[in-house]
Amino acid sequence: DQQVKQNSPSLSVQEGRISILNCDYTNSMFDYFLWYKKYPAEGPTFLISISSIKDKNEDGRFTVFLNKSAKHLSLHIVPSQPGDSAVYFCAATLGSSNTGKLIFGQGTTLQVKP
Amino acid sequence: SQTIHQWPATLVQPVGSPLSLECTVEGTSNPNLYWYRQAAGRGLQLLFYSVGIGQISSEVPQNLSASRPQDRQFILSSKKLLLSDSGFYLCAWSVGLGSNQPQHFGDGTRLSIL
Repeated sequence: DQQVKQNSPSLSVQEGRISILNCDYTNSMFDYFLWYKKYPAEGPTFLISISSIKDKNEDGRFTVFLNKSAKHLSLHIVPSQPGDSAVYFCAATLGSSNTGKLIFGQGTTLQVKP
Repeated sequence: SQTIHQWPATLVQPVGSPLSLECTVEGTSNPNLYWYRQAAGRGLQLLFYSVGIGQISSEVPQNLSASRPQDRQFILSSKKLLLSDSGFYLCAWSVGLGSNQPQHFGDGTRLSIL
């Protein structure tokens, strides 16, 4: 049972435009959502997170939006840069779990074209 | 600052051979430690996590085992590798038990079983 889903395996955008990466989840008990960025042959790097009590969190070019009623979150990158080309994973944690373990989506490969 | 080391970076092993992957964390005490696997075309799946020395929790039944002999050392092992054990193995750490603590990943081990 895939509790966190990224239904778009890939996305291609032009440099300078907005990149929107989407993620859906099924478990309403998730209390934190995180986005990670991964380059080939490297481990994922933490990008940005959002608490389930908020609907938006912004950090520079990166903004995460959370729609709890739709069980949907998205990551916006504005403006997109070629260096943003990577695989992006969304992940969620359960508040009832005190281990902080993450449940990941399948990832979306973003390509930003110069 | 905290760092995480994984080795080896790549490994090619025959079916039926043993496995030992090591992960160490520096610059922090009593971290939560995690082993993930990313199979080809899939997201990251949590295999094991540990909240302290000698404390190991398994997330999925499998051919692998984990041990934590020291506070900042996490080892992934197998007595006999299967073809299905191929994948990209990632070690991660986090501090504290809160859901909002992001995990920090090593650069991973690419394991190929022949």
